[in-house]
Amino acid sequence: QSALTQPASVSGSPGQSITISCTGTSSDVGGYNYVSWYQQHTGKAPKLMIYEVTTRPSGVPDRFSGSKSGNTASLTISGLQAEDEADYYCGSYTSSRTLLFGGGTKLTVL
Amino acid sequence: ELQLVESGGGLVQPGGSLRLSCAASGFAVTTTYMSWVRQAPGKGLEWVSVIYSGGTIYYADSVKGRFTISRHNSENTVSLQMDSLRVEDTAVYYCARGLGPGIVLDFWGRGTLVTVSS
Repeated sequence: QSALTQPASVSGSPGQSITISCTGTSSDVGGYNYVSWYQQHTGKAPKLMIYEVTTRPSGVPDRFSGSKSGNTASLTISGLQAEDEADYYCGSYTSSRTLLFGGGTKLTVL
Repeated sequence: ELQLVESGGGLVQPGGSLRLSCAASGFAVTTTYMSWVRQAPGKGLEWVSVIYSGGTIYYADSVKGRFTISRHNSENTVSLQMDSLRVEDTAVYYCARGLGPGIVLDFWGRGTLVTVSS
């Protein structure tokens, strides 16, 4: 199964908003409301930022939000901050009862 | 305090075997599902396997038939037995705890590096 499709990189200035897309198929993103987003700083373990498309775990700032339309999910970060610079991965439950990740997006805060 | 500590990584030759262990503290591994996720050097995340509280297990196609996940309730650990290792299995292997439906991983260990090379 191929990875979900994410842009390789996005960038924005502090205070701006950015959106990262995650495109799959009807067998994963489009078929379930089980899309999650993970943040990974260099050399660190991933951290869950969004699950079930739109839900933020406790402690995640409300600057982070998620959405989905059809086979494409999106992560939006508003009020960009320097500490948001990291790699972001989407993940989706699949019809094979597995988890499929996106290829990852490197966020640069200019 | 929640903790997941992976161990067992190292250097192994192609075709060899390695057993990874994940020790949990602050929660019982029997109360939720547990997964292994790997990340090859400089690459993205790749999901490997999940074991549910009821014992149901699933694997990624890339490791099916070669890797075996198991849980050791009395020790509060989860293991990943890796056989017939290939160069492309080289990665940092993370253990992670599940949250709710749909394989959502809400807490991760720091990972252990597995290098498959001759």
